Amino acid sequence: QMQLQESGPGLVKPSETLSLTCTVSGGSIDTWYWSWIRQSPGKGMEWIGYVYYSGSTDYNPSLRSRVTMSVDTSKNQFSLKVISVTAADAAVYFCARGPNSSGFDIWGRGSLVTVSS
Amino acid sequence: EIVLTQSPGTLSLSPGERATLSCRASQSISSTFLAWYQQKPGQAPRLLISGASNRAAGIPDRFSGSGSGTDFTLTISRLEAEDFAVYFCEQYGSSPWTFGQGTKMEMK
Repeated sequence: QMQLQESGPGLVKPSETLSLTCTVSGGSIDTWYWSWIRQSPGKGMEWIGYVYYSGSTDYNPSLRSRVTMSVDTSKNQFSLKVISVTAADAAVYFCARGPNSSGFDIWGRGSLVTVSS
Repeated sequence: EIVLTQSPGTLSLSPGERATLSCRASQSISSTFLAWYQQKPGQAPRLLISGASNRAAGIPDRFSGSGSGTDFTLTISRLEAEDFAVYFCEQYGSSPWTFGQGTKMEMK
């Protein structure tokens, strides 16, 4: 059964870069789209963007200028970078499989990111 | 972007009762691309329904989805204790994919 696991620092300083990695186990990263979604009390659930296994990407226009996603098929991982973070970027960050014909059908457990000096 | 508005914000019901949750879109979306998720505290969302009415694998048949255009509904026919959670709708037909703000189902 496919599982996803987020990893990365839980604390990021304002103006610095948030970096997270999602490791896919129990299946191949190939042929799927992979997304990052965040959840915060103020903004609710927000789709950040996706990376296709081939490396193509699509980002939410609200974050496009600060977000980069990439995929490493050899490690079965995909990654998220958000530059110039502020307190508004504090959230639980989920990685998920999708969007596909079923939406987002497999999710990681989430990684809490706090932004503070 | 498509805005999804869920109602009510909170639903207080008892086990055994029927729950009806609403999701309204700011513009028409294909029913093929409307999903419902359940989320419990400290957990990731779990896919319940995709394509507006198709239950995901392992989801009990007390959960059903319906609707088209701008109005969609999630119905739980007979609430069980494990169903008290937050429910989100989500559209994946038009980028950026968007979520509703959620309906919290609490036990009366």
